[in-house]
Amino acid sequence: AQSVAQPEDQVNVAEGNPLTVKCTYSVSGNPYLFWYVQYPNRGLQFLLKYITGDNLVKGSYGFEAEFNKSQTSFHLKKPSALVSDSALYFCAVREPGDYKLSFGAGTTVTVRA
Amino acid sequence: EAGVVQSPRYKIIEKKQPVAFWCNPISGHNTLYWYLQNLGQGPELLIRYENEEAVDDSQLPKDRFSAERLKGVDSTLKIQPAELGDSAVYLCASSPPGTPNTEAFFGQGTRLTVV
Repeated sequence: AQSVAQPEDQVNVAEGNPLTVKCTYSVSGNPYLFWYVQYPNRGLQFLLKYITGDNLVKGSYGFEAEFNKSQTSFHLKKPSALVSDSALYFCAVREPGDYKLSFGAGTTVTVRA
Repeated sequence: EAGVVQSPRYKIIEKKQPVAFWCNPISGHNTLYWYLQNLGQGPELLIRYENEEAVDDSQLPKDRFSAERLKGVDSTLKIQPAELGDSAVYLCASSPPGTPNTEAFFGQGTRLTVV
């Protein structure tokens, strides 16, 4: 069965500092990996995905993520965080050939001015 | 392009009462999902439709929850009777036809409070 772990409930960084949100996964076969962001009282917004190819994936709002197959990780990164990046971030995974999208528990990011 | 539309945005009901949520997916999206999101947790799949067929409803509590997607477009999720523990956000999402590497697009959700 597929699963996702986000080991940190909260991440706090100062504005302008690099931001990393961690995600590890467990699937059978090669995974499809996704990052979503959720602002208060809003639905989930898609940020980026890894399907195949280059391990470094670039997405919306300056975010990127690195796929590491040996470590089964897909960490989300941003070189210079903004206060407006404060939100709840979810990592999600699909197994090949399966449409079910499984989410991690989420990581709350707080960027202080 | 209009996104996934859900209504109502908020609903407060007394326990044991019925409640229904409505979702209109993005035009042309044949896959529709209903997710449950408890406070501080990630979304959990309740049911997935491919067109009008429910292809994965293994996580749907069928004693009180039901869903339908007539004509393969709009969908309704119903709870009858509601319990206090059903208080949560109910998210609808859709994705276009194709392969599982396409992302799902989410609506803003319906926040249900059962009192």
